[in-house]
Amino acid sequence: QVQLVESGGGLVKPGGSLRLSCVASGFTFSDFYMSWIRQAPGKGLEWVSYISDSGTTIYYADSVKGRFTLSRDNARKTLFLQMNSLRVDDSAVYYCAKCIYRGDMDWFDPWGQGTRVTVSS
Amino acid sequence: EVVLTQSPATLSLSPGERFTLSCRASQSVSTYLAWYQQRPGQAPRLLMYNASKRATGIPARVSGSGSGTDFTLTISSLEPEDFAVYFCQQRYDWPFTFGPGTKVDI
Repeated sequence: QVQLVESGGGLVKPGGSLRLSCVASGFTFSDFYMSWIRQAPGKGLEWVSYISDSGTTIYYADSVKGRFTLSRDNARKTLFLQMNSLRVDDSAVYYCAKCIYRGDMDWFDPWGQGTRVTVSS
Repeated sequence: EVVLTQSPATLSLSPGERFTLSCRASQSVSTYLAWYQQRPGQAPRLLMYNASKRATGIPARVSGSGSGTDFTLTISSLEPEDFAVYFCQQRYDWPFTFGPGTKVDI
């Protein structure tokens, strides 16, 4: 079955960097759009970024544009989120999610279990 | 940015009861609206998409309706596993946005 396993979260100081990874299995990774969504502690959900199956189309939320970079390695079935210039308000659980249909943008499900990022001095 | 509002914020119900949640968009999103369920300690799970289509594995007692700016999620008879937080989400326009959620508790 579909599995998405995130890693790379942790505690980092403001201004620091982290690289999140999401390893996929149980489906043809290169056929599907992928995304990162985050949830701050006790707060709502925020869409961070998504990437097309080929990697040629990427969208970012304004709150992370210029600081975060989304990429994918289809051969390794892995999604990456490079996060630079981290701020306190970037603290959240970051979820990786898979598009429900292949080849085009659509809804996202399932989501992984998430990796926690804490930005604090 | 499309702003989604949900009502009520919290709902206290008993197993077997029927509930209806509301989601309102600040502008028309056509039927590009989904509902997610989040149980404590878990990732959100897709329940409904395109306003009224059930996601894979979702039982028929869960239904959705609406278009434009007003949407509803209905569960006809609450099971213990339905006590959770429910979010609506639009993908009509980027950035995709979520509602603040409705908590359904016992």
